Amino acid sequence: EPEVTQTPSHQVTQMGQEVILRCVPISNHLYFYWYRQILGQKVEFLVSFYNNEISEKSEIFDDQFSVERPDGSNFTLKIRSTKLEDSAMYFCASSEGGGSGNTIYFGEGSWLTVV
Amino acid sequence: AQSVTQLDSQVPVFEEAPVELRCNYSSSVSVYLFWYVQYPNQGLQLLLKYLSGSTLVKSINGFEAEFNKSQTSFHLRKPSVHISDTAEYFCAVSGLYSSASKIIFGSGTRLSIRP
Repeated sequence: EPEVTQTPSHQVTQMGQEVILRCVPISNHLYFYWYRQILGQKVEFLVSFYNNEISEKSEIFDDQFSVERPDGSNFTLKIRSTKLEDSAMYFCASSEGGGSGNTIYFGEGSWLTVV
Repeated sequence: AQSVTQLDSQVPVFEEAPVELRCNYSSSVSVYLFWYVQYPNQGLQLLLKYLSGSTLVKSINGFEAEFNKSQTSFHLRKPSVHISDTAEYFCAVSGLYSSASKIIFGSGTRLSIRP
């Protein structure tokens, strides 16, 4: 079964450093997402991406964050200057359609630890 | 806006016992409802969803959930659990005409199965 793949599975970085999390969405999907889950908290929406541009973003997704689809297969999340509170599991996801009845397929997550 | 409440953060049960994981939601509009499962060291996977039609929906591995509009609930049940069902289960809701990214997750229920 097709799946969303993410790298790295775990990254430790120093506060203030830039981090890039990478994702390969399912190939025929058109909508891409990043979610995060801080330890012990709910899964939260960060951003959605369609047709090579951001379609929606949450208040969490501030100027420190950016997303890119550099080559038609990868979908990346960049955190420009990491803060301690950015430590979380980051999930990439994709879906065929953008409506709320569409199934969102999640990757296994990238666990980011900021020290 | 929607919200989801999973009252039980942890549910321990013995193997082959029945289990119910509770989920209540609130919304001012009609909703779609989902249960996602996260097995150890894996990403979120859709277990089942309610979009319309029969209020009882079933997964391929024996779980079922019933949409109860009057009680605003979508509890997940299985009549006999297996060790392999050990995972964290997330209830989620989205508004009928919202985008897929607007899915709201509950805080999760960790199901632990004792032999």
